[in-house]
Amino acid sequence: GAVVSQHPSWVICKSGTSVKIECRSLDFQATTMFWYRQFPKQSLMLMATSNEGSKATYEQGVEKDKFLINHASLTLSTLTVTSAHPEDSSFYICSARDRENGYTFGSGTRLTVV
Amino acid sequence: GQNIDQPTEMTATEGAIVQINCTYQTSGFNGLFWYQQHAGEAPTFLSYNVLDGLEEKGRFSSFLSRSKGYSYLLLKELQMKDSASYLCAATPNTDKLIFGTGTRLQVFP
Repeated sequence: GAVVSQHPSWVICKSGTSVKIECRSLDFQATTMFWYRQFPKQSLMLMATSNEGSKATYEQGVEKDKFLINHASLTLSTLTVTSAHPEDSSFYICSARDRENGYTFGSGTRLTVV
Repeated sequence: GQNIDQPTEMTATEGAIVQINCTYQTSGFNGLFWYQQHAGEAPTFLSYNVLDGLEEKGRFSSFLSRSKGYSYLLLKELQMKDSASYLCAATPNTDKLIFGTGTRLQVFP
């Protein structure tokens, strides 16, 4: 089946620094990937749609200058949390449409900003 | 706008049957998904409905009524490992997947 690899699985960073999260489709090409954020005991909130070769489309209320998304190839999308603060601590998950038009999810990244 | 609602929490007993409801109001509709998620892990796919009716897959079944904006996930012969969050998600267009509020299910012996 389709596999999406997400790295790192967890990261701790200091307040004010930037963190990059990678999302790769391993056995299929994904022209579109999605980035979600999930706070404890809450559901997944769509942050943005990442389009290969073009700018990401952000959901209302998501700061595009804070959450930089780059989709440079058909198999890789990255999310960079810039100038991270403790309130950015969350579980970040990517997903991609796979060959059968389902949605395959990465394993998630637990970000803790101290 | 998009609005997808589920009960926040449910409890059930091992061996029982539980039904988790989901109501949705979306601008456009191209299908409804159900996912299971254990804490700290990615969601795993359970079912997909795009036409009205019941889809059965082993112990899990999912129902959709497009005219009512309603779906449910039915879990039979509950096991302790079924304790998890269950997420209803809709595709308002052919691209995005929007999640509901999620239901935390706890199964007791």
